[in-house]
Amino acid sequence: DVKVTQSSRYLVKRTGEKVFLECVQDMDHENMFWYRQDPGLGLRLIYFSYDVKMKEKGDIPEGYSVSREKKERFSLILESASTNQTSMYLCASSRGSPLHFGNGTRLTVT
Amino acid sequence: GENVEQHPSTLSVQEGDSAVIKCTYSDSASNYFPWYKQELGKRPQLIIDIRSNVGEKKDQRIAVTLNKTAKHFSLHITETQPEDSAVYFCAASKGNQAGTALIFGKGTTLSVSS
Repeated sequence: DVKVTQSSRYLVKRTGEKVFLECVQDMDHENMFWYRQDPGLGLRLIYFSYDVKMKEKGDIPEGYSVSREKKERFSLILESASTNQTSMYLCASSRGSPLHFGNGTRLTVT
Repeated sequence: GENVEQHPSTLSVQEGDSAVIKCTYSDSASNYFPWYKQELGKRPQLIIDIRSNVGEKKDQRIAVTLNKTAKHFSLHITETQPEDSAVYFCAASKGNQAGTALIFGKGTTLSVSS
């Protein structure tokens, strides 16, 4: 069974802090994704990666960056956290289809 | 950019009734259309998917239909049960490459009352 692990379930950060959200998958998947989930807005794609050191912008990349130094790990970085980045962040991985999601990180920025 | 519209946003049915959720997509290159179910506090889980070379797919009480010409697809749940209560998301592939990202609809909250 595919396992996608997000390092934190809940995270509280202050405005202006640099925040790292970590995601690790154990199935040697090439593709990894970061989405944010907000009530009434569904899942919105932030960034994705098809291979190590490769990244593509999704629909809402502003204020975020990513890092993929190893195949199994995909990090989402909030360079300077703002209150409008308070959300549930979901990581996913795949080889082809379908996407397999992690349990999510609920980030609160105060 | 690519867009997926999903309706209705909420749906309430009696146990045993059928439920239908509809989605439309904008990217003509999309060729993969999955449906995810998310129970409260849990991760989204794939329940059924369909590719563009197929018009309909069924798995027990769940079926999905696809009309590529009209760019819309639908989820049909028959004989609904209380455990079907959840948020359902449709999605369309961003282009037609294998493993490409998915664009999701905004979700439908299905409530099944007994």
